[in-house]
Amino acid sequence: GAVVSQHPSWVICKSGTSVKIECRSLDFQATTMFWYRQFPKQSLMLMATSNEGSKATYEQGVEKDKFLINHASLTLSTLTVTSAHPEDSSFYICSARAGVHEQYFGPGTRLTVT
Amino acid sequence: AQSVTQLDSHVSVSEGTPVLLRCNYSSSYSPSLFWYVQHPNKGLQLLLKYTSAATLVKGINGFEAEFKKSETSFHLTKPSAHMSDAAEYFCVVSGDFNKFYFGSGTKLNVKP
Repeated sequence: GAVVSQHPSWVICKSGTSVKIECRSLDFQATTMFWYRQFPKQSLMLMATSNEGSKATYEQGVEKDKFLINHASLTLSTLTVTSAHPEDSSFYICSARAGVHEQYFGPGTRLTVT
Repeated sequence: AQSVTQLDSHVSVSEGTPVLLRCNYSSSYSPSLFWYVQHPNKGLQLLLKYTSAATLVKGINGFEAEFKKSETSFHLTKPSAHMSDAAEYFCVVSGDFNKFYFGSGTKLNVKP
């Protein structure tokens, strides 16, 4: 099946710094990728839709200036958490669209902001 | 708008007994529905999906789900639970622009 990777798998950063998370589709091209956030013991919340070659579209309530998304190629989308704060600590999961109603999920990145 | 409601946050069963995880959906049109499983510190794994074909969908590891339009339900079942089934299960509906909307999750505990 299709494989999606994320890097890093976990990261610790200091408050006020920025951190970049990569999402790659390894064996297929994805014009659309999605970013989700999962708080401990909670469900996944869709943050934004990443479209190759165009601006991302953000869900209501998600700060686009804080969570910068770039989808520069058909196999790579990046999420940059800018000026991170402890409340940004979470599990970030990406997925890549492989067809109609078909998404493959990455393993997730655990971000801890100290 | 699309949404799913998972009716139980926790379900506990004994090994070898049936599993039932309940999910109700809301959709303005014929939905695509999915069940995913997430083991601790692991990624999401697709169990099965319904995309307007057969209403009884068979998935991996002996799981199946039945789409019932009249009840707006998509419950997940397994005849006999195994210890390895202990995990978090998410019901998902696909909406506009292929966005996925997750239910709140059901944590399945399997007792020996």
